[in-house]
Amino acid sequence: KNEVEQSPQNLTAQEGEFITINCSYSVGISALHWLQQHPGGGIVSLFMLSSGKKKHGRLIATINIQEKHSSLHITASHPRDSAVYICAVRRGNKLVFGAGTILRVKS
Amino acid sequence: DGGITQSPKYLFRKEGQNVTLSCEQNLNHDAMYWYRQDPGQGLRLIYYSQIVNDFQKGDIAEGYSVSREKKESFPLTVTSAQKNPTAFYLCASAQDRNQPQHFGDGTRLSIL
Repeated sequence: KNEVEQSPQNLTAQEGEFITINCSYSVGISALHWLQQHPGGGIVSLFMLSSGKKKHGRLIATINIQEKHSSLHITASHPRDSAVYICAVRRGNKLVFGAGTILRVKS
Repeated sequence: DGGITQSPKYLFRKEGQNVTLSCEQNLNHDAMYWYRQDPGQGLRLIYYSQIVNDFQKGDIAEGYSVSREKKESFPLTVTSAQKNPTAFYLCASAQDRNQPQHFGDGTRLSIL
């Protein structure tokens, strides 16, 4: 079993829909990251959080340390949100990555 | 603008050849990282460096080598000992290990 599990693996949504991507992890962590990978391969860091909730524009990230679970929400989704969303947890000096969720938003 | 530059974007290697992937950052970051990405898998750490002239093996260091002679540069050499080098390679940097990592656009390596 991977240390970081994401669900779903693939997600197709209609423009405007509310989207949730989930991340569960099995080890103690000091922080959790949500990243976005564009079709060309470049990766952008969206959030780093260790407790509670963070919001940036239409993106919201939450984490429940006790349940070892985090969610990334996208409100009013748009085709430009189509990308791979990656969850990563910090253990010591390293990040451990989930396999990613492929999101496609159709207009 | 500050950022991380990886070159080349695409790289082809013949069997038995060593190749070096370039990673340069002008963010004045102390920490730098090399990851490998394979389809359907999460990024895996090859090597990382927290300071100039020091680097540590990651989870999949066999068949790879690095150097960190300058703060802004962290080149990765894929040696002939790496039996399955075809992958997407990403370089990242961070102010320190507790800060978010900034990623380059990656290099796609293929074997001819």
